[in-house]
Amino acid sequence: GAVVSQHPSWVICKSGTSVKIECRSLDFQATTMFWYRQFPKQSLMLMATSNEGSKATYEQGVEKDKFLINHASLTLSTLTVTSAHPEDSSFYICSAATPGTSGGTYNEQFFGPGTRLTVL
Amino acid sequence: GENVEQHPSTLSVQEGDSAVIKCTYSDSASNYFPWYKQELGKRPQLIIDIRSNVGEKKDQRIAVTLNKTAKHFSLHITETQPEDSAVYFCAASRTGKSTFGDGTTLTVKP
Repeated sequence: GAVVSQHPSWVICKSGTSVKIECRSLDFQATTMFWYRQFPKQSLMLMATSNEGSKATYEQGVEKDKFLINHASLTLSTLTVTSAHPEDSSFYICSAATPGTSGGTYNEQFFGPGTRLTVL
Repeated sequence: GENVEQHPSTLSVQEGDSAVIKCTYSDSASNYFPWYKQELGKRPQLIIDIRSNVGEKKDQRIAVTLNKTAKHFSLHITETQPEDSAVYFCAASRTGKSTFGDGTTLTVKP
């Protein structure tokens, strides 16, 4: 299957600082990537859909000015958590979807290894 | 939007027994239903998936069934082994955007 990498794998920062997380598709071009957040013992919650060359689509309740997403190339999407606070501490996971076989429907998602963010 | 409900939240079985996890979804336009296994601190791993034009799919000890009319799908694991212990998530997807269930923590006792 396709390989998706994420960097960094973990980060600890002080409250008020910004943190950038990179998501790369290593062996295929991903026109669409997804960003999820997962709190301990909870499910994956979709934050936003990142489209190459256009603005990201945010899910309801996700602050677009706080979670900045940039999808500048077909292999790289970045998530920047601005002015991070302790409540932003979470496991952030990206995924890239492969184009489907008909009608442009995207099928299987390939997940990155995740980034553990801890805000002190 | 899509709503996915998953049951049970925890499941404990004896090694060798079968395990069944069930999910329901609300959006009739969802057409792709993957199941993921996630170990602590790691990424979700796809274990099996099914598309809306298929009613059942099997891969060795794992099978998934889909009832489009009732909008529910199930994961079946037979001959469970201790290494099957993990959190399992179902998801319903349309055009790549997935909504996940809340997860089932499966424990297989040796």
